[in-house]
Amino acid sequence: AQKVTQAQTEISVVEKEDVTLDCVYETRDTTYYLFWYKQPPSGELVFLIRRNSFDEQNEISGRYSWNFQKSTSSFNFTITASQVVDSAVYFCALFNQAGTALIFGKGTTLSVSS
Amino acid sequence: DGGITQSPKYLFRKEGQNVTLSCEQNLNHDAMYWYRQDPGQGLRLIYYSQIVNDFQKGDIAEGYSVSREKKESFPLTVTSAQKNPTAFYLCASSIEGQDAYGYTFGSGTRLTVV
Repeated sequence: AQKVTQAQTEISVVEKEDVTLDCVYETRDTTYYLFWYKQPPSGELVFLIRRNSFDEQNEISGRYSWNFQKSTSSFNFTITASQVVDSAVYFCALFNQAGTALIFGKGTTLSVSS
Repeated sequence: DGGITQSPKYLFRKEGQNVTLSCEQNLNHDAMYWYRQDPGQGLRLIYYSQIVNDFQKGDIAEGYSVSREKKESFPLTVTSAQKNPTAFYLCASSIEGQDAYGYTFGSGTRLTVV
């Protein structure tokens, strides 16, 4: 079975706090791809990052960083020094070779207050 | 600029009526998808099409229909058989066979039954 779990439904932080969004996935495939998307209030999903199963290197892009650990089937997303503009719904998603489409988690709503 | 256009942004439907949501892309992508988003439910796949004149049911296809007569267009009809159609609908596209690179999303249509 393929599944993506985002256990945190809502997170509220104050500006400049660091925040980590958790993502746990399930798949039997050895080749798969993981994604994070951001959905601002406008509604459109914005691509943030893609990671394949053979690349466990962590990635940093500005204030964003991702920690991929196959041993725990997790692909967590950290925002450092959060800003109000980071307020959005964040989705983790999985694609494997046996699948037909991206499988999404239920999303985490992040609220950053000033 | 290339992208996906969904229209209308807001749509109101009376009970018992069919309505059609438009999705047009100029990215020359082969594959197109329809997802439904409900609060706390994440994104659930309704239908997808990997090539013109062919489409497949997703996880929640009941009460919906689609067509794919042109590469750039993938309209979704919400029929009267859909008992709870109020939701946010997102259309996406990808290069066929390359879902591993993720999707491009439209800005969505919010459908409300009145």
